Amino acid sequence: DIQMTQSPSSLSASVGDRVSITCRASQNIDNCINWYQQKPGGAPNLLIYAASNLHSGVPSRFSGTGSGTDFTLTISSLQPEDFATYYCQQSYSTPITFGQGTRLEIK
Amino acid sequence: QAQLVESGGGLVKPGGSLRLSCAASGFTLSDYYMTWIRQTPGAGLEWISYITSSGSITDYADSVRGRFTISRDSAKNSLYLQMNSLRVDDTAVYYCARTYSSGWFPGYHHMVVWGKGTTVTVSS
Repeated sequence: DIQMTQSPSSLSASVGDRVSITCRASQNIDNCINWYQQKPGGAPNLLIYAASNLHSGVPSRFSGTGSGTDFTLTISSLQPEDFATYYCQQSYSTPITFGQGTRLEIK
Repeated sequence: QAQLVESGGGLVKPGGSLRLSCAASGFTLSDYYMTWIRQTPGAGLEWISYITSSGSITDYADSVRGRFTISRDSAKNSLYLQMNSLRVDDTAVYYCARTYSSGWFPGYHHMVVWGKGTTVTVSS
């Protein structure tokens, strides 16, 4: 199975900050990675697919980069509604696997 | 607007069975790949199973293979997850998700529309 390791596990930041979350795959996954946002009590929501493609309706302050084993989700200017938990997910092979999550908290 | 609503969760004893349902509205379920995912505080998000749009191919995580079965009813526009031989570590919130898939691995497979989830608790 492909292991997806996110860092950091948690992050404190302020409104307006630029933040980045990384995800490292245990083997090459080309660009077969997606990013989700989950708020407390809710289901995950797709943000980025295929490493760098913004899902419809997602604000442009979100962006994704990377290929191979190392990937980054960046939020260019944090808004109050962005404080949530973020997950990466690989679709290079089954079983599909997720990272353990990064909790983004208000500083 | 596409919407998914899960139901069928509850409390069941180890070794018991449950059947989860996922009712789709705003789209035709059989036009899409569909996926079940579960979430626990400890293990995070775990992919469980998917079914192709044709219904001809299904796949399962090793942790549930042989115990869980994914299926769908086009007439009812619904997806199901039959769960047998339940174990304590199957306790989780179960989500169904409409999925985009390129149709092959390695490829693109992302969950676009999610339900709100249904809670399954396995305990004696």
